[in-house]
Amino acid sequence: EEHLVESGGGLVQPGGSLRLSCAASGFTLSTYWLTWVRQAPGKGLEWVANIRKDGSTIYYVDSVKGRFIISRDNAKNSLYLQMNSLRVEDTAVYYCARDANNYDGRGYYYDVFDIWGQGTMVTVSS
Amino acid sequence: AIQMTQSPSSLSASVGDRVTITCRASQAIRSDLGWYQQKPGKAPKLLIYGASYLQSGVPPRFSGSGSGTDFILTVSSLQPEDFATYYCLQDYSYPRTFGQGTRVEIK
Repeated sequence: EEHLVESGGGLVQPGGSLRLSCAASGFTLSTYWLTWVRQAPGKGLEWVANIRKDGSTIYYVDSVKGRFIISRDNAKNSLYLQMNSLRVEDTAVYYCARDANNYDGRGYYYDVFDIWGQGTMVTVSS
Repeated sequence: AIQMTQSPSSLSASVGDRVTITCRASQAIRSDLGWYQQKPGKAPKLLIYGASYLQSGVPPRFSGSGSGTDFILTVSSLQPEDFATYYCLQDYSYPRTFGQGTRVEIK
C-alpha cells in the first residue's frame, strides 16, 4: 500500500528553523512531483510548494519564498522542507502529498494530490 | 494568484439530501479543478479531478461539473460519512490555490 509519513514538526521560536521530512513507501518517489500543503489551526488548506520528479523545477507560494526550501532525495525515497526565519503565522499542520497526473482519456492530464501523509504540527511561538 | 471562492461557507443537511457546493475562480481555469474532502483531524482526500472526473474508489453519489470560472460539487444523497469540509483546488497555474472550504454539518 502507498503511504507518506511526515516527521520533524515541533515547537520553535520566531526566527528559528525546522526541517520537515516526508518518507514514502509502497511506490517509487522518483516518478512523481511532490507537494507540501499546510493548514493553520481551525483554518483552510494552503498550498506551500512543490518539486519536480528530478528536483529541477520548484514552485513556492509567495509567503514562504526566500525562507523555505523544498528538496528531495529520491535514493532515500524522501521529501524535505527546510523552514527558516519562521513566523508565528507559519504555525500549522504540514502535509506532504503526492502530486500525480490523472489522465482523462481524451489527451489531457490533470494535477492531483492523490496520496497524503497524516501531517506534522509546527508551532512557532515564544 | 488565482482566487478561489466557495459558497456557502457552511451548510446543514440531513442524510439523503442532495447537496451542492459552488466554487468560483477569479479568472478562467479551463477544467483544471479538483475537489477534496477533509474530516476533522485527517488529511484531505481527493474526490474529483478535471472538474468532473471521479477519482478511483470514490462513490458515484459525488459528481462535479463546470469549466472556466464556475464549478459545482454535488452529493446526490448525503450519507453519514459525508459530513466533512470540502475544498476546491485549482491546478491551472502557480501558486496552486484552494477555496476557503465548505463545512457540511448534520441538520
